[in-house]
Amino acid sequence: DIQMTQSPSSMSVSLGDRVTITCRASQDIGNYLSWYQQKPEKSPKLMIYGATNLEDGVPSRFSGSRSGSDYSLTINSLESEDTGIYFCLQHKQYPWTFGGGTKLELK
Amino acid sequence: EVQLVESGGGLVQPGRSLKLSCAASGFTFSNYYMAWVRQAPTKGLEWVASITNSGGSTYYRDSVKGRFTISRDNAKSTLYLQMDSLRSEDTATYYCTRGAYWGQGVMVTVSS
Repeated sequence: DIQMTQSPSSMSVSLGDRVTITCRASQDIGNYLSWYQQKPEKSPKLMIYGATNLEDGVPSRFSGSRSGSDYSLTINSLESEDTGIYFCLQHKQYPWTFGGGTKLELK
Repeated sequence: EVQLVESGGGLVQPGRSLKLSCAASGFTFSNYYMAWVRQAPTKGLEWVASITNSGGSTYYRDSVKGRFTISRDNAKSTLYLQMDSLRSEDTATYYCTRGAYWGQGVMVTVSS
């Protein structure tokens, strides 16, 4: 199975901060990588697909990038609505695997 | 508007069965692969099973292989998850998903 190692597991951030979350894939997954945001008691929301593509309706302060087997989600100028848990997902190969999640909280 | 609405969850004893349904609307259901993803209380997301748009191929995580069956009825725009021989570790909220779209989730609790 492909392991997705996500870091950090939690972050305490301030409004206006630039935030970067990373997932490292244990095998080649190409660009079959998505990022999701989940709010408490809510379903996950797709933010980035294909490693770098912004989902419709997602603010442009969110971006995705790839460097080798490292995939990053960056939030420029954090807003209060961006708090929650972020997960990466690889869907290159079954079983699909998620990262462990990053909990983003305001200081 | 795309909508996915799960139903069929509840409390069930270990070893018993439960069948989840996911009613889809707002898109051509038969054009899309579908999946079930679950989330145990306070835990992360875990992919459970996927099915091709025709239903001709299915895929499962090892821990549910042989116990769970994913299926679909394209005429009814409905996805299913038949869960047999349930275990306590199957306790979770189960989501039906098309990738970009997710249902609201349905809770399954396996307990005596």
